[in-house]
Amino acid sequence: ETGVTQTPRHLVMGMTNKKSLKCEQHLGHNAMYWYKQSAKKPLELMFVYNFKEQTENNSVPSRFSPECPNSSHLFLHLHTLQPEDSALYLCASSQDQAGGGYGYTFGSGTRLTVV
Amino acid sequence: AQSVSQHNHHVILSEAASLELGCNYSYGGTVNLFWYVQYPGQHLQLLLKYFSGDPLVKGIKGFEAEFIKSKFSFNLRKPSVQWSDTAEYFCAVFSGGYNKLIFGAGTRLAVHP
Repeated sequence: ETGVTQTPRHLVMGMTNKKSLKCEQHLGHNAMYWYKQSAKKPLELMFVYNFKEQTENNSVPSRFSPECPNSSHLFLHLHTLQPEDSALYLCASSQDQAGGGYGYTFGSGTRLTVV
Repeated sequence: AQSVSQHNHHVILSEAASLELGCNYSYGGTVNLFWYVQYPGQHLQLLLKYFSGDPLVKGIKGFEAEFIKSKFSFNLRKPSVQWSDTAEYFCAVFSGGYNKLIFGAGTRLAVHP
């Protein structure tokens, strides 16, 4: 266990479904991140939250909607996804965004398949 | 924009062979450098990191990396690989100017007994 827990581990959803990914950390960190990991591509940073405020959205389509109710929890709400959205979605945390220079702690990811 | 390049997408080695994985980044300012490893079905975990000081850093499991500022490189090395080193390796760079960790595409290493 890394201290960053993601649920579910696997998710299969249809293109018309609505689902949510959950991430929680009990490391006392104040920054949380969503990354998308696709085969043969660099990890793509999707969203950054620092002290519950969104500080970065890397041109992510609106069918992905993040939510950060507190510094320990991060959600990614999914709706009307496309098959190309199938990937491993990773959550990470760090002391805070500037403190990310010390490295991030990653969860095990949610393997998403859109059918 | 800041970017990280890993030169090899797939590397296949026999046990006891030496390993060197290339990593170059494009940012002229001060950076922190990382190598992460992802074993099959597991989470990304930190292998080693460089912040400042001795450019040769040692990490877990016998890995080391050398920061060469003039070449914007941070190559990962291991003198003798083991079957258990089979994994995907990611180079990552953090700069205060961008305030985020940028990853390379990863190198998938397969070690045959």
